[in-house]
Amino acid sequence: EADIYQTPRYLVIGTGKKITLECSQTMGHDKMYWYQQDPGMELHLIHYSYGVNSTEKGDLSSESTVSRIRTEHFPLTLESARPSHTSQYLCASSPRAGAQYFGPGTRLLVL
Amino acid sequence: AQSVTQLDSQVPVFEEAPVELRCNYSSSVSVYLFWYVQYPNQGLQLLLKYLSGSTLVKSINGFEAEFNKSQTSFHLRKPSVHISDTAEYFCAVSLGGSQGNLIFGKGTKLSVKP
Repeated sequence: EADIYQTPRYLVIGTGKKITLECSQTMGHDKMYWYQQDPGMELHLIHYSYGVNSTEKGDLSSESTVSRIRTEHFPLTLESARPSHTSQYLCASSPRAGAQYFGPGTRLLVL
Repeated sequence: AQSVTQLDSQVPVFEEAPVELRCNYSSSVSVYLFWYVQYPNQGLQLLLKYLSGSTLVKSINGFEAEFNKSQTSFHLRKPSVHISDTAEYFCAVSLGGSQGNLIFGKGTKLSVKP
């Protein structure tokens, strides 16, 4: 099992603010992912990375950006938060083959 | 395009009853298959996975799933559910082996009633 951490767990913020959601994993997994999930709904892949200096856009268009400077760290940034960004954001990592392991998620509310 | 279909959005059952959560996928290539469980306000937890070998896979808490290639299915079953099994369950498929991203179904909400 991977140890994967997300901070903050909950965030309430005003429109127009810049925010960064943190995600770290301690298992040395190459691949990392960000998903967006509205309450009780399916997951949508918004970003992923194959490794350091690799970032790719997912299936769902997102105004967020990501970076992968270190293997263990995959932060997601919103330059200017809007109410439409209100959602749960889930980070995951995986070794080259097999399952993805998820963090506990960040619930974001933009007022 | 590849897809994952979870046929039931909600499944209510009584405690100690058996349950089956259905999952079908469409793919013409080999796949890896997964079931995840999500409790309220939490991330997803891996429940069980099929990568190769025996088509029947089991979890430590009594769930099992069987990969049926001819029917392209990976249904999840438990012979006797508990109140604590109440959660949302997601089926996922990884296409193209190790490099494939996961494709998730829309989820099935299992509600276990006393």
